[in-house]
Amino acid sequence: DGGITQSPKYLFRKEGQNVTLSCEQNLNHDAMYWYRQDPGQGLRLIYYSQIVNDFQKGDIAEGYSVSREKKESFPLTVTSAQKNPTAFYLCASSILPGGDTQYFGPGTRLTVL
Amino acid sequence: GQNIDQPTEMTATEGAIVQINCTYQTSGFNGLFWYQQHAGEAPTFLSYNVLDGLEEKGRFSSFLSRSKGYSYLLLKELQMKDSASYLCAVRLSNNTDKLIFGTGTRLQVFP
Repeated sequence: DGGITQSPKYLFRKEGQNVTLSCEQNLNHDAMYWYRQDPGQGLRLIYYSQIVNDFQKGDIAEGYSVSREKKESFPLTVTSAQKNPTAFYLCASSILPGGDTQYFGPGTRLTVL
Repeated sequence: GQNIDQPTEMTATEGAIVQINCTYQTSGFNGLFWYQQHAGEAPTFLSYNVLDGLEEKGRFSSFLSRSKGYSYLLLKELQMKDSASYLCAVRLSNNTDKLIFGTGTRLQVFP
């Protein structure tokens, strides 16, 4: 089955620790995205990548980092510099950058204690 | 700045019709998306409008008026499983992947 997978579904970390969220897709999509969702707010774009080894900051990139070493993988690291890391994180992908529908993975709920 | 407005909550009865509105004021426009999101789950794609008019897809229809900065999602023959949040999102241009999302409308369907 083709799709986007994110793991784990729930993640708990202590304050001050970096944590990496996984996102994998086997849809052969070129573009991948990371969003953050907080209660009562819309999805906000953290980072996106249109091609391997290239990525762009979104609206709220501070305190986050990404890599795109393979087409199918786009991991997100939440660093200790992110002031309010507790949130629902969603990864998405689209066939082509800028011209296609984005499809979402199941999400990871990160709680920092 | 970019602004997308949707009602926060709506309620409706099973079997009825409901219209969820979305107004936008953005620096550019290259299409409007509607997604459905059940609590704790991923958004799933419902519809895409880039030209004015109505797009119908089964029980769901979406309308766009670019001159008014306005869209609506129409859900017919409501079912209990339609209880979810409905997200409106605008793509700013065809040179960017950026989608600007509204805060979503939480729809509750009652028997």
